[in-house]
Amino acid sequence: NAGVTQTPKFQVLKTGQSMTLQCAQDMNHEYMSWYRQDPGMGLRLIHYSVGAGITDQGEVPNGYNVSRSTTEDFPLRLLSAAPSQTSVYFCATQAATGTYYGYTFGSGTRLTVV
Amino acid sequence: ILNVEQSPQSLHVQEGDSTNFTCSFPSSNFYALHWYRWETAKSPEALFVMTLNGDEKKKGRISATLNTKEGYSYLYIKGSQPEDSATYLCARNTGNQFYFGTGTSLTVIP
Repeated sequence: NAGVTQTPKFQVLKTGQSMTLQCAQDMNHEYMSWYRQDPGMGLRLIHYSVGAGITDQGEVPNGYNVSRSTTEDFPLRLLSAAPSQTSVYFCATQAATGTYYGYTFGSGTRLTVV
Repeated sequence: ILNVEQSPQSLHVQEGDSTNFTCSFPSSNFYALHWYRWETAKSPEALFVMTLNGDEKKKGRISATLNTKEGYSYLYIKGSQPEDSATYLCARNTGNQFYFGTGTSLTVIP
């Protein structure tokens, strides 16, 4: 019963470095998404995918890329890290979009950009 | 306007007290409202999904009500316990996306 697995749990990057946050799910959920959580702000949607091969931008997509080559995986790429990207990142999945199903969240990745 | 607002932002109660907090959302084109419980250093866990005006859901000492016509939902905790300490998030589900409030942080003092 792995659910949604995020790696790494913690990461420190230098400004300008690139990295990929991994999200994997074993529930055959159609919908996968990435959120960031910042103090005093609600969870904000970065990118989402309604199925393999389909991705779209959320509220705060700048500086991030995603791809969805399989149902199971939805990596989030930071191309050139900036201090403004210091945040806690959550991957969230939903069985199917357009339904009443809630989200299942990963355990989060705490990223610090120095 | 898609904003979801929660109040109060934070709350401290004594063990045994009952408490409640509010989630406000746009009442037009309502689809569903979700409540989550989010403990520190963990990920949010689903509490309730509410879809119909007048819905009432209950899980143990926690319950929630929904008024879609005026755009609000209340979460109640009866006889608060220290293990209830967490942030309680609500999210508006439009069918396409979720819009989250900033949460109410509850601390139950033993």
